[in-house]
Amino acid sequence: GAGVSQTPSNKVTEKGKYVELRCDPISGHTALYWYRQSLGQGPEFLIYFQGTGAADDSGLPNDRFFAVRPEGSVSTLKIQRTERGDSAVYLCASSLGGGAVNEQFFGPGTRLTVL
Amino acid sequence: GENVEQHPSTLSVQEGDSAVIKCTYSDSASNYFPWYKQELGKRPQLIIDIRSNVGEKKDQRIAVTLNKTAKHFSLHITETQPEDSAVYFCAAPEYGNKLVFGAGTILRVKS
Repeated sequence: GAGVSQTPSNKVTEKGKYVELRCDPISGHTALYWYRQSLGQGPEFLIYFQGTGAADDSGLPNDRFFAVRPEGSVSTLKIQRTERGDSAVYLCASSLGGGAVNEQFFGPGTRLTVL
Repeated sequence: GENVEQHPSTLSVQEGDSAVIKCTYSDSASNYFPWYKQELGKRPQLIIDIRSNVGEKKDQRIAVTLNKTAKHFSLHITETQPEDSAVYFCAAPEYGNKLVFGAGTILRVKS
């Protein structure tokens, strides 16, 4: 079956630009997570959706970051006024339901480079 | 919140030897501990997990042990093979949903 997919796989942008990163979770998974992974580090939590609502957005670094999941399936992470420090791999994961007791399946990530 | 520490940061073993990676966590309420393997440029993939109601779980050459009293858990890989070379991450849940990851261990299996 299809796993979690993310597009684009790579995104290069200039400082100050706006970017959107897309995540398609596994069909039937109600929980969706965004993480950010910098080189040589573990994934760092950004935001968690249960259905359409953001149940926990405590990991978003500032108000330039925003994410939506309008129909409870596909999610988009939006970054405004990008900065060089935003460069990282953005990982999406999904699971059957809320709660870390369910295995989280990761997508391949979007590598964002801000020049 | 949860804090996860992972050791060692790098580990080199000879093919056929065993490898052990250790993690500690801070939140005594944590009840689920996954281990992910990440190859260069690839997504993290779950290789084994353990819940707090058991002390050990094994899957072929991979095992995980959990000590709830000491708040640490370990990954054991026996009979290592070159394809085991990757970065391994442990994790623990915070507030029941999001995962807090360790910093990772680079495992190199020399043939």
